[in-house]
Amino acid sequence: SQKIEQNSEALNIQEGKTATLTCNYTNYSPAYLQWYRQDPGRGPVFLLLIRENEKEKRKERLKVTFDTTLKQSLFHITASQPADSATYLCASLDTGRRALTFGSGTRLQVQP
Amino acid sequence: NAGVTQTPKFQVLKTGQSMTLQCAQDMNHEYMSWYRQDPGMGLRLIHYSVGAGITDQGEVPNGYNVSRSTTEDFPLRLLSAAPSQTSVYFCASSLGVPGSYNEQFFGPGTRLTVL
Repeated sequence: SQKIEQNSEALNIQEGKTATLTCNYTNYSPAYLQWYRQDPGRGPVFLLLIRENEKEKRKERLKVTFDTTLKQSLFHITASQPADSATYLCASLDTGRRALTFGSGTRLQVQP
Repeated sequence: NAGVTQTPKFQVLKTGQSMTLQCAQDMNHEYMSWYRQDPGMGLRLIHYSVGAGITDQGEVPNGYNVSRSTTEDFPLRLLSAAPSQTSVYFCASSLGVPGSYNEQFFGPGTRLTVL
């Protein structure tokens, strides 16, 4: 089955800088990757999806890339704000089951 | 729309007790799923359902039962609670199988402690 790996160490950056989070997958190349945001004590909220044939996807200050050679997706937040502080989760469809497999998430802390 | 709702928000059980975590959605979604989230482990799939009357096991199904008698509801039953089931439980739904056109909507979670 697919395994999704995210850096478990928290990422601390200064306000205004670009945050870059990494999602690596093992085994087969997924048809797409989804990114979610999770705030403490709340359920995850969908942010962006990128398909295998898309190199890059943007939504406001968010940008996601998909590199099938490196088996990696990068999630960027430009001009980061303290309100961007949260845990960000990467997920892809587990074709063995008809369900999403999630990475463990990376916690982002933006310092004012 | 209320979206995905879960009850209770918090629950404390003793080892061996049984209980049902409730999940409901009002978006007419066919697909529903249950996850548990433990520190450092991320979200792990317990059970899922692609429609009323159809359920299937996820990654960690042992000790849990589900049924799907209606499109709206997808309760999760703990048969005999164990301390290892202490976790935060999330219910999620989507229009169809999560895919390139179906994002998942999550409930607020139920924090369960088993003593």
